[in-house]
Amino acid sequence: KAGVTQTPRYLIKTRGQQVTLSCSPISGHRSVSWYQQTPGQGLQFLFEYFSETQRNKGNFPGRFSGRQFSNSRSEMNVSTLELGDSALYLCASSFGDRGRTGELFFGEGSRLTVL
Amino acid sequence: GENVEQHPSTLSVQEGDSAVIKCTYSDSASNYFPWYKQELGKRPQLIIDIRSNVGEKKDQRIAVTLNKTAKHFSLHITETQPEDSAVYFCAASAPGGYNKLIFGAGTRLAVHP
Repeated sequence: KAGVTQTPRYLIKTRGQQVTLSCSPISGHRSVSWYQQTPGQGLQFLFEYFSETQRNKGNFPGRFSGRQFSNSRSEMNVSTLELGDSALYLCASSFGDRGRTGELFFGEGSRLTVL
Repeated sequence: GENVEQHPSTLSVQEGDSAVIKCTYSDSASNYFPWYKQELGKRPQLIIDIRSNVGEKKDQRIAVTLNKTAKHFSLHITETQPEDSAVYFCAASAPGGYNKLIFGAGTRLAVHP
């Protein structure tokens, strides 16, 4: 079956702009998580959505937001971009069974460069 | 707060040697500990995971051990091969269930022929 698909794969923005990233999960997966990956920082959790509801949120400012649609596809938005937002944004999907964390299937990521 | 420390940050071994990566987590309520491998330019992929009710798990050349008392868990790779070269991330589940993982900063493993 098809894997997790993220679009766009690469994008360049300037400070102050906003950006929207998209993630299509594996068919049947209802949980979508977003992570920010920067060199030396590992993967930092942004938020997780399940059945169109945000279940978890990381320690990022309110400029970072997301949503999930009824078909489980998810988008994340970053407003008022800063240079420090340059990173690889990874989306991961899973079944999301309640109370039992399981394997996350990652997409290839969207690499954002802020100039 | 929730934190996972991972050591070493880089590891260089000769082909055939063993490699060990260690992680420490902060929240005793964490109950799921996966390891992900990320090859250069590719997505992270799960290689092995362990739950808090198990002390050790093996899968061919890879094993993970968990010490809940010390809040330590380790990845062991035996008979390393050049294709094992990658960045390895440990992670611990955040309390409360669902799919929030706290990742370590990663270990860059280089296996030299």
